[in-house]
Amino acid sequence: KAGVTQTPRYLIKTRGQQVTLSCSPISGHRSVSWYQQTPGQGLQFLFEYFSETQRNKGNFPGRFSGRQFSNSRSEMNVSTLELGDSALYLCASSWTSGSPAGELFFGEGSRLTVL
Amino acid sequence: SQQGEEDPQALSIQEGENATMNCSYKTSINNLQWYRQNSGRGLVHLILIRSNEREKHSGRLRVTLDTSKKSSSLLITASRAADTASYFCATVISSGSARQLTFGSGTQLTVLP
Repeated sequence: KAGVTQTPRYLIKTRGQQVTLSCSPISGHRSVSWYQQTPGQGLQFLFEYFSETQRNKGNFPGRFSGRQFSNSRSEMNVSTLELGDSALYLCASSWTSGSPAGELFFGEGSRLTVL
Repeated sequence: SQQGEEDPQALSIQEGENATMNCSYKTSINNLQWYRQNSGRGLVHLILIRSNEREKHSGRLRVTLDTSKKSSSLLITASRAADTASYFCATVISSGSARQLTFGSGTQLTVLP
């Protein structure tokens, strides 16, 4: 069974631009969560989607948004990029919503560099 | 803010030795999980311990949970160079219908051959 797939793996943007990251969960998983990882702040929860609905949101500005499609694939978008948005963005899928009663399955991440 | 804090932040040991990492958290939890992350890669789930459990084993891993002290420990026995990675504890807090997994700051383990 294929794991969680994130694209692109690496990307470089300049300040003010926007970026869209994609995540394909494990087949059958309906929940997708997004995390931002930086050396200074560690792993920070962005949001979680289940059956195309945002179920939970972390403490990030409105520039960070996401959505989930009917096939459970998810995208996140960051608009008006700032230098501080440089990070590894991790997507994780699970069977159920707010799943953490069980384990999360992570993708390899999308490494965003903002110049 | 971080719910869990790992201690130590970095740990360096020789192959074959045991490695112990600790995690403290602040609020009541449903369960606590440990994950491993190789440099720049995704996280891999290691083990989950529920709030009503005190100890759990999985292969060379042993996890304990003390809810009265709000702390957990991860023991890796007979460590190998391949165990070199960052280890994170993650706690599950239930708030209404939403449950969020919150990660600690991590312990960087280096196993020297």
